Parts: sequence; structure tokens; C-alpha cells
Amino acid sequence: DVKVTQSSRYLVKRTGEKVFLECVQDMDHENMFWYRQDPGLGLRLIYFSYDVKMKEKGDIPEGYSVSREKKERFSLILESASTNQTSMYLCASSLRDRGIGGYTFGSGTRLTVV
Amino acid sequence: QKEVEQNSGPLSVPEGAIASLNCTYSDRGSQSFFWYRQYSGKSPELIMFIYSNGDKEDGRFTAQLNKASQYVSLLIRDSQPSDSATYLCAVNRVTGGGNKLTFGTGTQLKVEL
Repeated sequence: DVKVTQSSRYLVKRTGEKVFLECVQDMDHENMFWYRQDPGLGLRLIYFSYDVKMKEKGDIPEGYSVSREKKERFSLILESASTNQTSMYLCASSLRDRGIGGYTFGSGTRLTVV
Repeated sequence: QKEVEQNSGPLSVPEGAIASLNCTYSDRGSQSFFWYRQYSGKSPELIMFIYSNGDKEDGRFTAQLNKASQYVSLLIRDSQPSDSATYLCAVNRVTGGGNKLTFGTGTQLKVEL
């Protein structure tokens, strides 16, 4: 069974901390994505990557960065966490050039910044 | 105008009825369309996708696409309480780096006994 694994289910961090969210997929997918999901706002794309060491900004990249050193791993970094970054973070992956089949999502990380 | 629009609901239907979920999109260049189901506290899971105008059926689910009207819908026949969830419509758009999905905010469906 294909999987996208997010390292933490729940995280509580303090304002100003540097936060790392990790995502690993075992499907040999080229594309990986980070979304955040907030009530009433839906899923919003933060960053995505279509290849190792490649990244592209999504709709709301401010305050975030990403790293993709290996094909299977895509990390989201909050450089200096703020309370408005409290959210559910979802990682997803897909095959390149395949709108076919859509994304496979990880189970999500609920981040609370206090 | 939002890129992908859905009525937030909740949409309440009795058990055994047909639930009809609707979605409109703004980008005429969109190529493929997806329906995801999301239970409370869980991540989205893909239930249907469609590329061509018309209907596509999979078990109790039927996706309908009308590109001229920029409209996609999901019908759930014989609705069950286990169908109670939020349904997300997603639209694929091609960027320089490949495909990425834009999601609607979802419609909450409640199937009542």
C-alpha cells in the first residue's frame, strides 16, 4: 500500500522557534506538495517540488521554506514560527505530469504555535 | 472570484437518498477534476476523477463534468451515514513545473438516519 508519512501528528511550538515538518513517500513520486488547511479557507498550497532540489512557490509561501534533498523526502520549514501559522499541515505527492490519479495525502500534522 | 467554488453546506440528506454535490471553476484551461472525501480530523482521500465531458460512474458515485459551463458535480446514490464527511472538489492546472491541484473549500454532507 502506497504511503505518505508525516513525522508528527501533533506539534506544539513557541513563537519564534524554527520548526521542521517532515514528509516521506515510498511511491517514487516526482511531485511533492505542502498545503495548510484552515476552517473556511480550505486547502492552500504553500510550496511544491517537482524534482530533487527543485521547488516552486505556491499561493502562500511567506514565512515558509522547503527542502528536497532526496526524492522521497520533502521538508517544510517555518523559519520563525508565529501564531498565525497554527494550522493543519498536509503533505501530498503525485506522479509527474499526471493529473491522473490526483494526490496521495499524508495523515497531516496539527501545529499549534503558542 | 475563487478559482474553485463549492457551497459549504451542510447538505443534509436522508439515508438512501441521492446526494448531489456541486463545484464550479474559473480556469477554462483546467484539464482534470477530482473529488476527495475528508472525514473530520483525517486527511483527504481520492474517490473520483474525471477528464472528459459527461458522466463517470464508480459504484454508488457518479462524477459529472460540463466544461462549457465550467461545472463538475458528484452524485452519491443510496447515501449512507458513513458518507457523512466533507467533500472537496479539486481542479488540475498545469504550471511550468508540472501539475498541481487547486481545491475548493469543501461541502459538508450529513446523511441522516
